[in-house]
Amino acid sequence: AQSVAQPEDQVNVAEGNPLTVKCTYSVSGNPYLFWYVQYPNRGLQFLLKYITGDNLVKGSYGFEAEFNKSQTSFHLKKPSALVSDSALYFCAVRDILGTGKLIFGQGTTLQVKP
Amino acid sequence: NAGVMQNPRHLVRRRGQEARLRCSPMKGHSHVYWYRQLPEEGLKFMVYLQKENIIDESGMPKERFSAEFPKEGPSILRIQQVVRGDSAAYFCASSPAGDSQPQHFGDGTRLSIL
Repeated sequence: AQSVAQPEDQVNVAEGNPLTVKCTYSVSGNPYLFWYVQYPNRGLQFLLKYITGDNLVKGSYGFEAEFNKSQTSFHLKKPSALVSDSALYFCAVRDILGTGKLIFGQGTTLQVKP
Repeated sequence: NAGVMQNPRHLVRRRGQEARLRCSPMKGHSHVYWYRQLPEEGLKFMVYLQKENIIDESGMPKERFSAEFPKEGPSILRIQQVVRGDSAAYFCASSPAGDSQPQHFGDGTRLSIL
């Protein structure tokens, strides 16, 4: 079965410091991976995706993610955190062997303090 | 470009009533997915539809829940005889064809059962 794990419920960083939100996956075949962000009382906003190609993927709002096949990880990163980055972050894998639904991790709350 | 539109944003029902949640996909998107977010949990897939067809309903509870995406009009998620455990945020996502395409989410309907 395909699955995604986000091992940290919450990540705390100081504004201006680099941030990492961790994600590991388990899939059959090549993974199609996505990161989304959710602000309170809003839907999920797409940040970036990995389908194939370069292991470092750049996305919206200065975020990037590093795909590591040997470690089955897809960690989200940003060189310099902003207070406005505080939100709930979801990693997801697309069920490409099935009908294309997204399988989500449990989510990680990012708290950026001034 | 209008995003995915969901209405109502908030819905309050008493136990035993029916709830109808609507979703209009982004223009040009023919694939609609419904997900449910329970408090303190991640998003769980419910159903995947294309126009006039249910493609995958493996995440739908066997009773009381149904979904449709008619030729004209929005997709509807219908919950009959609601119970307290149905209280959740229900999100709709749409995408064009292709597994590499990200799904775009609406802001959700928050269903509260009294």
